Amino acid sequence: EDKVVQSPLSLVVHEGDTVTLNCSYEVTNFRSLLWYKQEKKAPTFLFMLTSSGIEKKSGRLSSILDKKELFSILNITATQTGDSAVYLCAVDMIKAAGNKLTFGGGTRVLVKP
Amino acid sequence: KAGVTQTPRYLIKTRGQQVTLSCSPISGHRSVSWYQQTPGQGLQFLFEYFSETQRNKGNFPGRFSGRQFSNSRSEMNVSTLELGDSALYLCASRSSGAGRPSGANVLTFGAGSRLTVL
Repeated sequence: EDKVVQSPLSLVVHEGDTVTLNCSYEVTNFRSLLWYKQEKKAPTFLFMLTSSGIEKKSGRLSSILDKKELFSILNITATQTGDSAVYLCAVDMIKAAGNKLTFGGGTRVLVKP
Repeated sequence: KAGVTQTPRYLIKTRGQQVTLSCSPISGHRSVSWYQQTPGQGLQFLFEYFSETQRNKGNFPGRFSGRQFSNSRSEMNVSTLELGDSALYLCASRSSGAGRPSGANVLTFGAGSRLTVL
């Protein structure tokens, strides 16, 4: 059965701290791994990773994929209160047609002032 | 351009009733997917439609159904509601769902429809 596991479940940090979120997966026919941020309702897209070892970066956020060890990490440096959210990892698999994301349970991040 | 629009945003139903949720994808997007989000199970895939055809289906009972219209708008229906169907139902669209993955072709989610079953 396809599985995506995120850790930690939740964490509390203070502004300026660095956080590292983990996502491990066991899926068949891997196509890509995606990170989303969910604050209130709609998850918003952060990164898509398809190749091992290539870091994707956007401002204070960065992510990397290891296809050999089957995991990805999402780093947030110099955290701000606006980074408080649930961060979701999802894996897209090659199916006969279309796409079907399998999500991890999410990591809830709370950034305190 | 406008994002993914879901209606209604909130609704309350009682056990045994049925409900229909609506999703208007981003203009030009032909693939629409539905997900159920609950505190216990997280985000789970329901189904995906493309050009009015269901392309993928998750592991949900037959009470959950959907359809897509020629203008790519989609509806999902849940019949004989159970307490456990209380959830946030998220719709997401993308342009095609086929071909090489790219940042321009990822799922864009709507704000969701919050269903409470009493």
